[in-house]
Amino acid sequence: DVKVTQSSRYLVKRTGEKVFLECVQDMDHENMFWYRQDPGLGLRLIYFSYDVKMKEKGDIPEGYSVSREKKERFSLILESASTNQTSMYLCASSLYGQSNYGYTFGSGTRLTVV
Amino acid sequence: DQQVKQNSPSLSVQEGRISILNCDYTNSMFDYFLWYKKYPAEGPTFLISISSIKDKNEDGRFTVFLNKSAKHLSLHIVPSQPGDSAVYFCAASVSPSGTYKYIFGTGTRLKVLA
Repeated sequence: DVKVTQSSRYLVKRTGEKVFLECVQDMDHENMFWYRQDPGLGLRLIYFSYDVKMKEKGDIPEGYSVSREKKERFSLILESASTNQTSMYLCASSLYGQSNYGYTFGSGTRLTVV
Repeated sequence: DQQVKQNSPSLSVQEGRISILNCDYTNSMFDYFLWYKKYPAEGPTFLISISSIKDKNEDGRFTVFLNKSAKHLSLHIVPSQPGDSAVYFCAASVSPSGTYKYIFGTGTRLKVLA
């Protein structure tokens, strides 16, 4: 089974802190994604990466950055956390060119910024 | 601008009856559609997919229908079971380069009553 592991299930951070959310996948997938899930808004794409050191902005990249130094690891960085970044963050991965199975998601990190 | 819409935030169905979840989209270039199921505190899991060249795909109790002229997608669950109670997301992809990037709807919470 493909596994996508997010390092923390729950995080509480203070406004202004720099926050790192880590995601690791073990199936050699080229593509990795970060989404956030908010009530009434569904899942919104923050950033994605289709190769090591490659990244592209999604629909809501403001206030975030990402890092992909190794194929299996994709990190989401909140440069200066704000209360409106309180959300459920979901990491996902997929094989290049494979459409019919979509993504494999991690279990999510619920981040609260106080 | 919500390209993928799920207009019913919630749905309640009696056990054994049919559940029909609906999804509308605006972009005629979408080439693949998926349904995901999400339990609380877990990541979404892939349920079923359909290519834009088909109008129906079936997998056990789950059937997805695609009406391209109406830009409408639906998921039928027959018979519904209490374990089907979850949030269901539809997603549509654009694939400019083999990296399938999915756009998600806002989700429908299904409750199957025993």
